[in-house]
Amino acid sequence: AQSVSQHNHHVILSEAASLELGCNYSYGGTVNLFWYVQYPGQHLQLLLKYFSGDPLVKGIKGFEAEFIKSKFSFNLRKPSVQWSDTAEYFCAVSNYNTDKLIFGTGTRLQVFP
Amino acid sequence: GAVVSQHPSRVICKSGTSVKIECRSLDFQATTMFWYRQFPKQSLMLMATSNEGSKATYEQGVEKDKFLINHASLTLSTLTVTSAHPEDSSFYICSASSPIQETQYFGPGTRLLVL
Repeated sequence: AQSVSQHNHHVILSEAASLELGCNYSYGGTVNLFWYVQYPGQHLQLLLKYFSGDPLVKGIKGFEAEFIKSKFSFNLRKPSVQWSDTAEYFCAVSNYNTDKLIFGTGTRLQVFP
Repeated sequence: GAVVSQHPSRVICKSGTSVKIECRSLDFQATTMFWYRQFPKQSLMLMATSNEGSKATYEQGVEKDKFLINHASLTLSTLTVTSAHPEDSSFYICSASSPIQETQYFGPGTRLLVL
């Protein structure tokens, strides 16, 4: 069965620090990969997605993620975080031919000014 | 992006009663809607997938007779928690998608508390 692991449960950073959140998945076939963000009190929003093509994907708000097939990873990065990036971040995976999403457990990011 | 709403945003009910949660896609026709459950500090767990006009497909371990899902139109799906018990207290989130959307759009969630 598919599963998604996010090893960082809680990350605390100062503004301007660089961010990398890990995401690994287990599935042998072709996958679609997503990062979602949930700001405090708000609903889940799509940050970025990978379906095919360039494995380095750029999303909104300066975020990017790199798909490394050999490592089954899709880590999220941002070179310089802001206080407004404080949120919960979820990695998700789906089979390439379905809509069904499998979510990781989420990483809570706190950014202090 | 597309907008999905849920109603109510929170509900408190007595044990044994039934609760209906609505999920609406406001600006697109959602051929598929999904219902998730999120426990505190945990991830979203998919409960069921519903396609407009057909029966929902439930994930393993989810009781279809307890969590009734109806997707009667392209803009509305409902989740009814029947004979709710305190262990059903949770955050229920719906999402919607269509063939032209490349991702699911999520509702704001409904917090259910069963006393």
